[in-house]
Amino acid sequence: EPEVTQTPSHQVTQMGQEVILRCVPISNHLYFYWYRQILGQKVEFLVSFYNNEISEKSEIFDDQFSVERPDGSNFTLKIRSTKLEDSAMYFCASSEAEKVGELFFGEGSRLTVL
Amino acid sequence: SQKIEQNSEALNIQEGKTATLTCNYTNYSPAYLQWYRQDPGRGPVFLLLIRENEKEKRKERLKVTFDTTLKQSLFHITASQPADSATYLCALDLAGYNKLIFGAGTRLAVHP
Repeated sequence: EPEVTQTPSHQVTQMGQEVILRCVPISNHLYFYWYRQILGQKVEFLVSFYNNEISEKSEIFDDQFSVERPDGSNFTLKIRSTKLEDSAMYFCASSEAEKVGELFFGEGSRLTVL
Repeated sequence: SQKIEQNSEALNIQEGKTATLTCNYTNYSPAYLQWYRQDPGRGPVFLLLIRENEKEKRKERLKVTFDTTLKQSLFHITASQPADSATYLCALDLAGYNKLIFGAGTRLAVHP
């Protein structure tokens, strides 16, 4: 069964460092998303991406965050200068359609900022 | 203020019984509502989606209802099994663009 894959599964970084989280969405999907979940809290929407552009972003997704689809398969989330409060599980998701879509989530990348 | 609430207490039931989980929301008008399952340390897994003009949706042992007047969705698992033990998340989709607003989830434990 096709799946969304994410790397790394766990990354530990120092505050202020840049981090790139990588995702390979399901191959025929056109819509891509990043969500995050701080430990013990709700899953929160960060950004959606379609046709090489951001479609929607939340208030959390400020200037220190960026997304990119550098080639035909990868979808990345970059955090430019990490803060302690960026520590969370980051989930990539993809869907076939933007509207009324079932989201397929990856297993997540756990980011720990020290 | 806008809120989406799920039972914060864990739900413990006996194998074979029906589990009923509740999702209530205030000051939202979702076009769609989705239910996901999440196991510890894993990503959410899609279960069911229901539209605002649908009252009920079924899939195998799962049933979801959606009452836009009460602003409530109920999620039922019939003939529950220990393998159904997980956290169940409801998520509102206001405009149908998969910008989901998740509830905190209800942890279900099914005992043999």
